[in-house]
Amino acid sequence: KAGVTQTPRYLIKTRGQQVTLSCSPISGHRSVSWYQQTPGQGLQFLFEYFSETQRNKGNFPGRFSGRQFSNSRSEMNVSTLELGDSALYLCASSSGRGPISNTGELFFGEGSRLTVL
Amino acid sequence: TQLLEQSPQFLSIQEGENLTVYCNSSSVFSSLQWYRQEPGEGPVLLVTVVTGGEVKKLKRLTFQFGDARKDSSLHITAAQPGDTGLYLCASRLTFGEGTQLTVNP
Repeated sequence: KAGVTQTPRYLIKTRGQQVTLSCSPISGHRSVSWYQQTPGQGLQFLFEYFSETQRNKGNFPGRFSGRQFSNSRSEMNVSTLELGDSALYLCASSSGRGPISNTGELFFGEGSRLTVL
Repeated sequence: TQLLEQSPQFLSIQEGENLTVYCNSSSVFSSLQWYRQEPGEGPVLLVTVVTGGEVKKLKRLTFQFGDARKDSSLHITAAQPGDTGLYLCASRLTFGEGTQLTVNP
């Protein structure tokens, strides 16, 4: 059974640009969540999607957005990049029948490492 | 939002030693997960605990859930260099800051 796939694995952008990251969940998983991981802040929750609907959103500015498609694949977008957006962005899927916040167990991809210059 | 506090933040030990990592909250957990993350990879689920007082074992790793379901611990017996990594506790969408464990040969 294929795991969670995130693309691209690495990318470098400059300030002011925008970026789109993609996540394909484990087959059959309908819940997807996104996290930002930095050395100083740890794993911070960005958003959670279930059946194409955003169920929860973390405390991030509106520059961070996401969506989920009918096949459960998800994308997140960061506009007007800032230096502080440099981080590892992790996507996780869940086998729960409901949104992740009701089941807990997450299966992570390897992440997309974004560097903003 | 439930806050999870992990301690210690960093731990460097010699191969063969035992260690314990703690995860605490002021709120009651409905369930709690422990993950391990290695450099350049995403976290990997180790265990889920649900019932107060529950103890689960995974080879040399022992996970305990507090009776009041507000705390949890991870104990590693006879640590090996392969145990090196970032150990994270999590409840639903909230993660602790992690314990960076280094086991030296």
